[in-house]
Amino acid sequence: EPEVTQTPSHQVTQMGQEVILRCVPISNHLYFYWYRQILGQKVEFLVSFYNNEISEKSEIFDDQFSVERPDGSNFTLKIRSTKLEDSAMYFCASRSGTGMWLGNQPQHFGDGTRLSIL
Amino acid sequence: QKEVEQNSGPLSVPEGAIASLNCTYSDRGSQSFFWYRQYSGKSPELIMSIYSNGDKEDGRFTAQLNKASQYVSLLIRDSQPSDSATYLCAVTPYSSASKIIFGSGTRLSIRP
Repeated sequence: EPEVTQTPSHQVTQMGQEVILRCVPISNHLYFYWYRQILGQKVEFLVSFYNNEISEKSEIFDDQFSVERPDGSNFTLKIRSTKLEDSAMYFCASRSGTGMWLGNQPQHFGDGTRLSIL
Repeated sequence: QKEVEQNSGPLSVPEGAIASLNCTYSDRGSQSFFWYRQYSGKSPELIMSIYSNGDKEDGRFTAQLNKASQYVSLLIRDSQPSDSATYLCAVTPYSSASKIIFGSGTRLSIRP
């Protein structure tokens, strides 16, 4: 079964540095997402991406964050000038975008990248 | 008011019994509802999706939706120790079909 893959599985970075988290969504999917989960807290929506542009973003997704689809397969999340509170699991997800109404389509999650800011 | 509310648990159920997990949501216009299972340190894994009022069964799992009461539940029959996990309720809000909103999850423990 096709799956979403994320790299690296664990990233350790010094506060103030930039990090790039990488994702390869399911190949025929059109909608891509980033979520984050701080330890012990709920999964929070960050951003959705469709047709090479952001379709929606949350209040968390400020100027510190950016997303990009640099080629036909990768989808990246860049966090500039990292802060201690950016430490979390970051999940990439994708959704088909075809067939049934978009809202009914489940999102398929990757295994996540654990980001630790020191 | 939280958008998606779940009892955090832990909910302890004996092996072989029925586990019942509940969720309420605040956006009356929400149309799509999902149950994800999350093992500790792992990613959410889709268990069930439901869009219409009533019951939807898939193997040992049954999702129930009552839009009038803004309530969705998940029943797990013949609970197994491998069902021990956190169960996340997720909702597509009326205002945006492109994202899903998660509850905080209910931690389920199946005791042998």
